[in-house]
Amino acid sequence: QKEVEQNSGPLSVPEGAIASLNCTYSDRGSQSFFWYRQYSGKSPELIMFIYSNGDKEDGRFTAQLNKASQYVSLLIRDSQPSDSATYLCAVNKSGGSYIPTFGRGTSLIVHP
Amino acid sequence: DAMVIQNPRYQVTQFGKPVTLSCSQTLNHNVMYWYQQKSSQAPKLLFHYYDKDFNNEADTPDNFQSRRPNTSFCFLDIRSPGLGDAAMYLCATSRGLNGPTDTQYFGPGTRLTVL
Repeated sequence: QKEVEQNSGPLSVPEGAIASLNCTYSDRGSQSFFWYRQYSGKSPELIMFIYSNGDKEDGRFTAQLNKASQYVSLLIRDSQPSDSATYLCAVNKSGGSYIPTFGRGTSLIVHP
Repeated sequence: DAMVIQNPRYQVTQFGKPVTLSCSQTLNHNVMYWYQQKSSQAPKLLFHYYDKDFNNEADTPDNFQSRRPNTSFCFLDIRSPGLGDAAMYLCATSRGLNGPTDTQYFGPGTRLTVL
């Protein structure tokens, strides 16, 4: 089992819809969870992080964490074509170090 | 603006010819990281420095070395590049390693081509 798993996609949604991106992880001791956006040929940029069970909202983005199910998701409301990118989930290793392990990312396409 | 800078943005080298990639930061962060990312794959951590303390990932090939002469700069040396080393190399920094808010900030990356 991979440490961080994401469906590679692509996930295609119409403009204005809600995009739902999912991530599962294997290390039960993980404490911090990050979502990065990566445009083609560019470096990852942090969207948000979450470390408590439940929802965390930031503008059009909502991160959802369920530690019991080892599941973290990112919802993008009112999706725009400019949201088209690869979304990387990153999960820190347990044991005190917060160095994250990345998933391979989910490609999101928002079509007009 | 505080930032992470990588040079060059694009590097072409020949099979077996040593190459050095550089990273600098103005964030005054303690930790600097080097990742390798191949197409449609997750960034793979090669090593990181906490100040001058070097930490190598167990599966990082010996062909990859790193130097951090001061807080601001970090270098990635590839001693004998092979075709399989063609990738995007990402430098990142973070303030520390001990808090959930010690998030990573990435530079723009260096795209390495090996001929």
